[in-house]
Amino acid sequence: QVQLVQSGAEVKKPGASVKVSCKASGYTLTSYGISWVRQAPGQGLEWMGWISAYNGNTNYAQKLQGRVTMTTDTSTSTAYMELRSLRSDDTAVYYCAREYPMTVVGHHAFDIWGQGTMVTVSS
Amino acid sequence: QSVLTQPPSASGTPGQRVTISCSGSSSNIGSNAVNWYQQLPGTAPKLLIYTNNQRPSGVPDRFSGSKSGTSASLAISGLQSEDEADYYCAAWDDSLNGWVFGGGTKLTVL
Repeated sequence: QVQLVQSGAEVKKPGASVKVSCKASGYTLTSYGISWVRQAPGQGLEWMGWISAYNGNTNYAQKLQGRVTMTTDTSTSTAYMELRSLRSDDTAVYYCAREYPMTVVGHHAFDIWGQGTMVTVSS
Repeated sequence: QSVLTQPPSASGTPGQRVTISCSGSSSNIGSNAVNWYQQLPGTAPKLLIYTNNQRPSGVPDRFSGSKSGTSASLAISGLQSEDEADYYCAAWDDSLNGWVFGGGTKLTVL
């Protein structure tokens, strides 16, 4: 079945970097884009950015510009999200989600989600 | 502070109908479709409604969505205990050039 499987939990110190992976199965990764969404403990959802798995084009949320990099490896059907210069307020569950064109006019939605990766930033 | 505004909580008894509102602006809900996500405790979000009022396969018809101007609503009829979850609205924002979410509404089934 179509699924996204993410890498395991991470604990990092402030100032370090983290790279989370998201492996797609049941469909061709290059057919659709992948968005990353994070959720701080007890908080709501925050969109981080998007990558086209077809050509590598990216669109990052303004507040994360310069700290985040999204990439894909089509040979392994895996998307990656790297966040640098980690701070305590980056502590969150990080989700990857497939951005799918739900209608013929191109309305998109996140139809498949990974299980989430907990990233804890603590000294 | 979320770009889209939702009530933090809602509640109802089994069998009741509840609605959750989502308020935005001309740059998001006013000009783009709204999606709704359901997040059960300890799990990843799940797509519940797309393009304002469409249900993905497998979503019961007890769930319905609507949009008018810069606001949207999610309605749940015949409330069941398993509907207890957090609900989020989302829309593309043309000014921010990205997706924006509501702060989420925690639904309690009494």
